[in-house]
Amino acid sequence: AQSVTQPDIHITVSEGASLELRCNYSYGATPYLFWYVQSPGQGLQLLLKYFSGDTLVQGIKGFEAEFKRSQSSFNLRKPSVHWSDAAEYFCAVGERGATNKLIFGTGTLLAVQP
Amino acid sequence: GAVVSQHPSRVICKSGTSVKIECRSLDFQATTMFWYRQFPKKSLMLMATSNEGSKATYEQGVEKDKFLINHASLTLSTLTVTSAHPEDSSFYICSARDSVFTGELFFGEGSRLTVL
Repeated sequence: AQSVTQPDIHITVSEGASLELRCNYSYGATPYLFWYVQSPGQGLQLLLKYFSGDTLVQGIKGFEAEFKRSQSSFNLRKPSVHWSDAAEYFCAVGERGATNKLIFGTGTLLAVQP
Repeated sequence: GAVVSQHPSRVICKSGTSVKIECRSLDFQATTMFWYRQFPKKSLMLMATSNEGSKATYEQGVEKDKFLINHASLTLSTLTVTSAHPEDSSFYICSARDSVFTGELFFGEGSRLTVL
């Protein structure tokens, strides 16, 4: 069964600093990979996704992620963090098939300090 | 992008009552919808997968009789929490995919259930 691991429960970065959120997955084949962001009490917003092709994907709000098959990773990056980026970030793996159900990691809570 | 709407966004009920949460796809037909539960400061746990016109498929450990899911049309799925108890208090989120297989899911805004 597929699974997703986000090793960092909580990360604090200074505004303007770079950011990398880690995500490792376990899946028998090439998965669909997603990063979502959730603000307190809100639903999920898709930041970016990987289905196939170029392993470096660009998303909204200046985020990017790189799929590395050899490391089973899909880390999220941003070169310069803004205070409004403070939120919970979830990595997710999707099944390739009829169900499309997503399995989520435990999330990383990002705090941005001035 | 596609829009998924949930209603109500917040609901408070007494223990023992039933609560219905609606999930609607506003601008696309959703052949499959998913219901997730999120505990405070925790990740999203998939509860069930519902396909239009058929019975929902529940994940292991989810009580079918407690969480009734109906997907009667291509734009509406409902989750009914029956005989709710305080431990059912949670944030429930639905998601949907359209009939064109893209792999992407669209999420509702979530519904906060508080059982007193």
